[in-house]
Amino acid sequence: EAGVAQSPRYKIIEKRQSVAFWCNPISGHATLYWYQQILGQGPKLLIQFQNNGVVDDSQLPKDRFSAERLKGVDSTLKIQPAKLEDSAVYLCASSRGVQQYFGPGTRLTVL
Amino acid sequence: AQKVTQAQTEISVVEKEDVTLDCVYETRDTTYYLFWYKQPPSGELVFLIRRNSFDEQNEISGRYSWNFQKSTSSFNFTITASQVVDSAVYFCALRNIIQGAQKLVFGQGTRLTINP
Repeated sequence: EAGVAQSPRYKIIEKRQSVAFWCNPISGHATLYWYQQILGQGPKLLIQFQNNGVVDDSQLPKDRFSAERLKGVDSTLKIQPAKLEDSAVYLCASSRGVQQYFGPGTRLTVL
Repeated sequence: AQKVTQAQTEISVVEKEDVTLDCVYETRDTTYYLFWYKQPPSGELVFLIRRNSFDEQNEISGRYSWNFQKSTSSFNFTITASQVVDSAVYFCALRNIIQGAQKLVFGQGTRLTINP
């Protein structure tokens, strides 16, 4: 069974630019999560989708972050415009039951 | 509110030593799940174990063991006879059991270094 796929693996941008990350969950997993992991900290949930509907986006900075999951499969997370403090690893996870399976993450550096 | 505290930021031991990683949690929920994840240098979070709040049995899996004590809100992780391959950042996490609200609340992580 293929795992959670994410791309790109690394991205370097300058502040005020925009960036997008892509996630392909494990086949059949209805729930998809985006987490932000700042260096030296644990991951923090940004948004949770159930199929293509949002379940929890309470910690998503909606003035600059947006996410969508069209057709209930792949998802895209966008940042526009990026700030220095957005430098982090963005982890995508998916689940069918209790267990969440994580992708390799996208490491974003904002200069 | 839910909170997970891993007081040990970094631990360094010599190979073959036993090491215990501490985890203390806070929640108002009466039922919840607790997890341990391993994050090697590659960055991917690797699931190690999940416990339900109503199951306080300790668990052993090879060199790994977990001690869950509801009375002290702790879920500690012990590696026996540590190996260099155990070097990683380890995260403890908490999740409630309510349908729909499934976010994992992570601790800050403990960076474990096993020296040869």
